[in-house]
Amino acid sequence: DQQVKQNSPSLSVQEGRISILNCDYTNSMFDYFLWYKKYPAEGPTFLISISSIKDKNEDGRFTVFLNKSAKHLSLHIVPSQPGDSAVYFCAASYYGGSQGNLIFGKGTKLSVKP
Amino acid sequence: KAGVTQTPRYLIKTRGQQVTLSCSPISGHRSVSWYQQTPGQGLQFLFEYFSETQRNKGNFPGRFSGRQFSNSRSEMNVSTLELGDSALYLCASSLGQITSSGNTIYFGEGSWLTVV
Repeated sequence: DQQVKQNSPSLSVQEGRISILNCDYTNSMFDYFLWYKKYPAEGPTFLISISSIKDKNEDGRFTVFLNKSAKHLSLHIVPSQPGDSAVYFCAASYYGGSQGNLIFGKGTKLSVKP
Repeated sequence: KAGVTQTPRYLIKTRGQQVTLSCSPISGHRSVSWYQQTPGQGLQFLFEYFSETQRNKGNFPGRFSGRQFSNSRSEMNVSTLELGDSALYLCASSLGQITSSGNTIYFGEGSWLTVV
């Protein structure tokens, strides 16, 4: 049972346009959400996070939106750059969870074309 | 400040052998967790160590084990290797336990294991 789902395995965007990466979750206990970026042959790099008490968090070109009622979060990258091409993982956690409660989605591969 | 360091970066082993991977966390971080990444499966949690104790364990067979030392460095061991164990093994560190909400984990570059 996948608690964190990234339904789009891949996304292709033109340079300069907006990239929107989506993530859905099923466990209403989740209260902290993170996005990681991963290049081939490297470990994931932390990008941005959001607590469930907020609905938006911004860091430069990256903005994460959280819709708790829909159990949905999204990562917006504006403007997209070729260097953003990577696999993006969303992750969710909650206090007191077990089984390693930082649960990752399977990732979305973003390709930004020049 | 140095990041999470994993060794070795690449290794090839034969079925039936065992392997030990090493991880040095970010200075001051007390939690080390291990993940396996295979194509199409995303990041799957193996286990977490905090203050030298295993705090959480994922759904992996007993062939996968680990330990943490007093300096927070951690090792992961896989015994009786199978072809399906070929994967990228990632170590991550954080200040507190990953079950503490609001805790961000930072990954190393991973160890690529190929079992032939």
